[in-house]
Amino acid sequence: DTAVSQTPKYLVTQMGNDKSIKCEQNLGHDTMYWYKQDSKKFLKIMFSYNNKELIINETVPNRFSPKSPDKAHLNLHINSLELGDSAVYFCASSQVGTPGEKLFFGSGTQLSVL
Amino acid sequence: SQQGEEDPQALSIQEGENATMNCSYKTSINNLQWYRQNSGRGLVHLILIRSNEREKHSGRLRVTLDTSKKSSSLLITASRAADTASYFCATDAVGSGNTPLVFGKGTRLSVIA
Repeated sequence: DTAVSQTPKYLVTQMGNDKSIKCEQNLGHDTMYWYKQDSKKFLKIMFSYNNKELIINETVPNRFSPKSPDKAHLNLHINSLELGDSAVYFCASSQVGTPGEKLFFGSGTQLSVL
Repeated sequence: SQQGEEDPQALSIQEGENATMNCSYKTSINNLQWYRQNSGRGLVHLILIRSNEREKHSGRLRVTLDTSKKSSSLLITASRAADTASYFCATDAVGSGNTPLVFGKGTRLSVIA
């Protein structure tokens, strides 16, 4: 009964490949997010969706494309993977999407690009 | 730009001791939150303090907020080995629009049994 679940937990791939990370929340929340955590533990927002609509798109390369088929799912597709994409990617959700709301995080996907 | 900065970057204490972590931020905020991240796991919300509050308690956690100094502290009393984790502050800046929480780099706490 995990609240925010993302798969896979580990992803090892070659440069140039395309990969996807899936995220699902069963909390009934309206808003979902993708965060990237680098090797220094710095956590940075990438995208946020509210009821399947893109709300925030920070300065992320076009190779990253989020897709929200419904408000319980927010997947992240990455094209032409680069070495610098190696990081831990976290999905999160919040009830409404009001700035400053408490966030619920998934357990992360560690992406290693070789 | 990064809003919150935790200090120290790493802290090692003995079980039973108190652990204090600090967070400084740059702009006016609506609220400040603290999260814990166990190794290999996602962040878990611990406590939220609003800009008009000065102190808040939750179990062994005590959070203070000084908006004049733009700083907050998280105190964990009577620490346990299970408290070993990274602790992050996150801020909701005034006038940030739809921007969600901005996180610092965290303090890595090690509690030695």
